[in-house]
Amino acid sequence: KAGVTQTPRYLIKTRGQQVTLSCSPISGHRSVSWYQQTPGQGLQFLFEYFSETQRNKGNFPGRFSGRQFSNSRSEMNVSTLELGDSALYLCASSAVGTHEQYFGPGTRLTVT
Amino acid sequence: AQSVAQPEDQVNVAEGNPLTVKCTYSVSGNPYLFWYVQYPNRGLQFLLKYITGDNLVKGSYGFEAEFNKSQTSFHLKKPSALVSDSALYFCAVRDSNAGKSTFGDGTTLTVKP
Repeated sequence: KAGVTQTPRYLIKTRGQQVTLSCSPISGHRSVSWYQQTPGQGLQFLFEYFSETQRNKGNFPGRFSGRQFSNSRSEMNVSTLELGDSALYLCASSAVGTHEQYFGPGTRLTVT
Repeated sequence: AQSVAQPEDQVNVAEGNPLTVKCTYSVSGNPYLFWYVQYPNRGLQFLLKYITGDNLVKGSYGFEAEFNKSQTSFHLKKPSALVSDSALYFCAVRDSNAGKSTFGDGTTLTVKP
C-alpha cells in the first residue's frame, strides 16, 4: 500500500496570506489527524477527522481549519499567516479498530 | 488532561550497548501508549504500541518497551544499539476514552561507533 502523502512538500508564504495543505491517507484509513511540529513547541495536535466529521480539536486559533472529503483525503487551511506559523505540518492516518498512526513526510511551511 | 514526559532531551550510547529512552505519562482512563521514531526531514514512523495484555511489547527494528502501570512509565529499550538507530524518538499516549494523541517533546538518541 502507498503511504500517507502530503502536498506540497515545501511552501513559502508571506505574512497575511493564506495557505491550504493537502493529505491523502493510506487506502482504507478513515481517520486523519494533523499536527504542527516546531523546535520550540514539539508536536502539537491540531485536529482529527473521521468520516468527514471533526472528532477532536487542539488548542489552536480559528485561523486554523480543516476538512475531510468523502474519499478520506483531508485539507487544512491557515488564514492570515503569522511568522509563528512557520513549522512542519504533519498529517497522520489510522485504520478503524487500530490506534497507531501512520505519518506523511510533512509540509514545511515558511512564513516571511 | 493527558500528558507525556520524556525527561531526557538527549541519550548517548555506544554501538553494541543496550539503550533505554524514558517515558512517563498521565491519563485519566486506560492508556494506549506508543513509540514513534523520526529521521531527519522525515515524518514519524510507528515503532510499537501497548494497548492491553503483556506488559512487554516488541516492535520494529528490535525495539521493545515495558509498560509499568504503578510507575506510569513506558520506557523504550533495545539490547544492542546500532549507529543507524540514531534519530529522534517520541513517546505518545492516547486515553482509551478520548480520541487525540499527546506526544512527548522527543528524545534525541545518538549511537556512536
